[in-house]
Amino acid sequence: DTAVSQTPKYLVTQMGNDKSIKCEQNLGHDTMYWYKQDSKKFLKIMFSYNNKELIINETVPNRFSPKSPDKAHLNLHINSLELGDSAVYFCASSQNLGEKLFFGSGTQLSVL
Amino acid sequence: GEDVEQSLFLSVREGDSSVINCTYTDSSSTYLYWYKQEPGAGLQLLTYIFSNMDMKQDQRLTVLLNKKDKHLSLRIADTQTGDSAIYFCAESMDNQGGKLIFGQGTELSVKP
Repeated sequence: DTAVSQTPKYLVTQMGNDKSIKCEQNLGHDTMYWYKQDSKKFLKIMFSYNNKELIINETVPNRFSPKSPDKAHLNLHINSLELGDSAVYFCASSQNLGEKLFFGSGTQLSVL
Repeated sequence: GEDVEQSLFLSVREGDSSVINCTYTDSSSTYLYWYKQEPGAGLQLLTYIFSNMDMKQDQRLTVLLNKKDKHLSLRIADTQTGDSAIYFCAESMDNQGGKLIFGQGTELSVKP
């Protein structure tokens, strides 16, 4: 069973569109995250949620809106996609904030 | 400031030891981590060390922590071609909601 699963794995879309990436974890963890990895492999946190409550919002444009319907899910909705949004987006979870994160396999977003 | 630094590339021969180095900035980090990323995959937690430890050994992996110099290293003994990947060092920022700050990753290439 996959511990942290995110869909889709690949997402190709036009500038200006709105898209969502879904993430689910079956580890029973309280905390979930979204990270962005750019073309140089640099990883930066975007958001973290603890028990459905937003903990970290790392100066991400408000076109990005995370939604946590329950503590096992953290979805990422992106409005008005821009070329610079092209990256790999990773979902992760951990039992406590900042401890031993387990990552999903990533969603490669390409904005044309 | 937040800065985790690693060298970008390391090339070794199969059977040799690999040493990947990292420097970090936050002396209050409780945990320091090593993650492995294979091509097209997510990040896999390899090992971690508590900040009150100097060394941790886990099979072929040895982590050394020098808190005074804020230096972390990962030694892989008897490196195999399957160890070829990008290795990320990360520190947890306990005073910033536990977010992980990642280094830029060291690409390890293992030649037969």
